[in-house]
Amino acid sequence: NAGVTQTPKFRILKIGQSMTLQCAQDMNHNYMYWYRQDPGMGLKLIYYSVGAGITDKGEVPNGYNVSRSTTEDFPLRLELAAPSQTSVYFCASSLIGQYSNQPQHFGDGTRLSIL
Amino acid sequence: QKEVEQNSGPLSVPEGAIASLNCTYSDRGSQSFFWYRQYSGKSPELIMSIYSNGDKEDGRFTAQLNKASQYVSLLIRDSQPSDSATYLCGGQGAQKLVFGQGTRLTINP
Repeated sequence: NAGVTQTPKFRILKIGQSMTLQCAQDMNHNYMYWYRQDPGMGLKLIYYSVGAGITDKGEVPNGYNVSRSTTEDFPLRLELAAPSQTSVYFCASSLIGQYSNQPQHFGDGTRLSIL
Repeated sequence: QKEVEQNSGPLSVPEGAIASLNCTYSDRGSQSFFWYRQYSGKSPELIMSIYSNGDKEDGRFTAQLNKASQYVSLLIRDSQPSDSATYLCGGQGAQKLVFGQGTRLTINP
C-alpha cells in the first residue's frame, strides 16, 4: 500500500519554464489537496478536489492549475515558473471530506527551486 | 482573521516537562480537529484527532477541545528531545481542512 506518491522529489527550474508535479493515491480517497510550504511557515492550500472532474481554488491559486480526471491522480501544473514559487509542495488525500473526521494523508513532498 | 491560528513560537520546554500547544479557530461549523507533527524536511504526520468536547488521551499525548471557546490544545507529557518538531493544528470545515501556521517546539535535554 503506497499511500500518496509524489514525483519528482526534487526539481530545479529556470524562470519561465513549465512543469507538472505529479500526485497519485491508491486509497480510493475522494478528496485531494495541494499545499505549498515556504521555509519556516505553515501549509498554504493551493487547490483541492472533492472528486474526479471537480476542483476548487484554495488560499494561493495564482500561477497554478490542476485537473482531476481520475480518482487516483491530481497533477499540479506551473505554467510560467517564478522565483516566488520556490517552495516545498505537498499533496494530500482524505476520505469524504465535508465536516469529516477522516484525517489527511500526506505525500513526501516535492522540493522545487526556481532560479 | 485567519481561520485557524497558532502561536508560531518557538516554544522551548525542558526534557521531562509538559509541553502545551494551543490553537484557536473561527469556523463554528468545524467538527473535527487534527494535530500533525512535522520534522524538518519531512511531511506532516498525524498524531492526534479529536471530534468531541473534552479530553482525548493517547500515550503521552492529550488533545483537548472546547467548542464553546473555539479552542483546541495538545499536551505532551514527559517531553523527549524526539518531540522537537513543528506541530500543525488543522480544523475540518465544510470543504477542506484548514491548517494554522504551526508551532515550533524545542525540547531541551
